[in-house]
Amino acid sequence: QKEVEQNSGPLSVPEGAIASLNCTYSDRVSQSFFWYRQYSGKSPELIMSIYSNGDKEDGRFTAQLNKASQYVSLLIRDSQPSDSATYLCAVTRRRDDKIIFGKGTRLHILP
Amino acid sequence: DTAVSQTPKYLVTQMGNDKSIKCEQNLGHDTMYWYKQDSKKFLKIMFSYNNKELIINETVPNRFSPKSPDKAHLNLHINSLELGDSAVYFCASSQATGRLETQYFGPGTRLLVL
Repeated sequence: QKEVEQNSGPLSVPEGAIASLNCTYSDRVSQSFFWYRQYSGKSPELIMSIYSNGDKEDGRFTAQLNKASQYVSLLIRDSQPSDSATYLCAVTRRRDDKIIFGKGTRLHILP
Repeated sequence: DTAVSQTPKYLVTQMGNDKSIKCEQNLGHDTMYWYKQDSKKFLKIMFSYNNKELIINETVPNRFSPKSPDKAHLNLHINSLELGDSAVYFCASSQATGRLETQYFGPGTRLLVL
């Protein structure tokens, strides 16, 4: 089982709708979870971090963490064409604090 | 106001050559990283340094040698380049090590080995 798994997509969502991105991880004791956005040809940039079970909201973005089920998701409300990018889920491995990235989900917002 | 910078941005070279990539951060961070992102966009850590000391050394060929002259700089030297080394190499930094730390990425160096 891969340490961090994401559906590679592309995920196509109409403009104005909610985009839902999912990620599962294998290390049950992981404690830190991150969502990075990467535009084509650019470097990853942090969108959200979450450490506790439940929801964390920041503007149009909501991160959701369920440690019992070992998944973390990112919701983007009122999707905009500028949200079209690859979204990387990252999890910090407990035993060595190393951050492990998923392969990313390509999101395409349809105008 | 560049936070994490890398040079060069593009590097095209022949197989067998030796090349270096430089990274500098002006954020005052203690920890720096090198990542490789392959053609399938998979981002994988190679090395991590904290205050000039190596703390993460993944299973990377020993043709790759990082050097940290001070905590604001982390360079990557690659000997005897191979076709499979073609990728985008990202430098990153964080305030410290630890599971809560956000990493800030440089713009990347696109390496093409012919």
